[in-house]
Amino acid sequence: GQQLNQSPQSMFIQEGEDVSMNCTSSSIFNTWLWYKQDPGEGPVLLIALYKAGELTSNGRLTAQFGITRKDSFLNISASIPSDVGIYFCAGQLSGGAQKLVFGQGTRLTINP
Amino acid sequence: GAGVSQSPSNKVTEKGKDVELRCDPISGHTALYWYRQSLGQGLEFLIYFQGNSAPDKSGLPSDRFSAERTGGSVSTLTIQRTQQEDSAVYLCASSLWASSYEQYFGPGTRLTVT
Repeated sequence: GQQLNQSPQSMFIQEGEDVSMNCTSSSIFNTWLWYKQDPGEGPVLLIALYKAGELTSNGRLTAQFGITRKDSFLNISASIPSDVGIYFCAGQLSGGAQKLVFGQGTRLTINP
Repeated sequence: GAGVSQSPSNKVTEKGKDVELRCDPISGHTALYWYRQSLGQGLEFLIYFQGNSAPDKSGLPSDRFSAERTGGSVSTLTIQRTQQEDSAVYLCASSLWASSYEQYFGPGTRLTVT
């Protein structure tokens, strides 16, 4: 099936550092979304992107929908301890399928 | 307002038994989705409902898996004759309508098959 390649798989950073992660695919997507999952919880929607080239911010988070429609990135500025968790990208494939395809996740660990 | 709720939060069952997992979507959301998340993995799509009908069942891994939705609200995912490889967290999500891809997730049901 269609896959999203999400990288890095894990990150270990110092508090206050900026973070960048991305997702790529060989397929074209109509929509990109970024979710964060805390242990024992369901994923929480952070940012949704609907247009190629779109750059959207939500507080310290910024995400972009790549112009080729095959990739997206998420940046977190000035990381804080509560940013710890697993970040997932998800996309809705061009062609009309309603389901989302998810990346494998980026596990973020922050050293205080 | 209330988010997506799922029950039970944890379920331990013996191999070969049937289990039912329940999802209550956000009130007014017409689309409902089931996903499976194995340990340390991403989310695997299982099935999607628009109202009470399931236009896309393509992710159900075998005929032991089935789901229904009644009254356009509550959904039940049933796994018959459970196997150890069914152990995972089963997540439910809902969205306002099918063309809205902003899905809101419940906390999941952790299923352990012994």
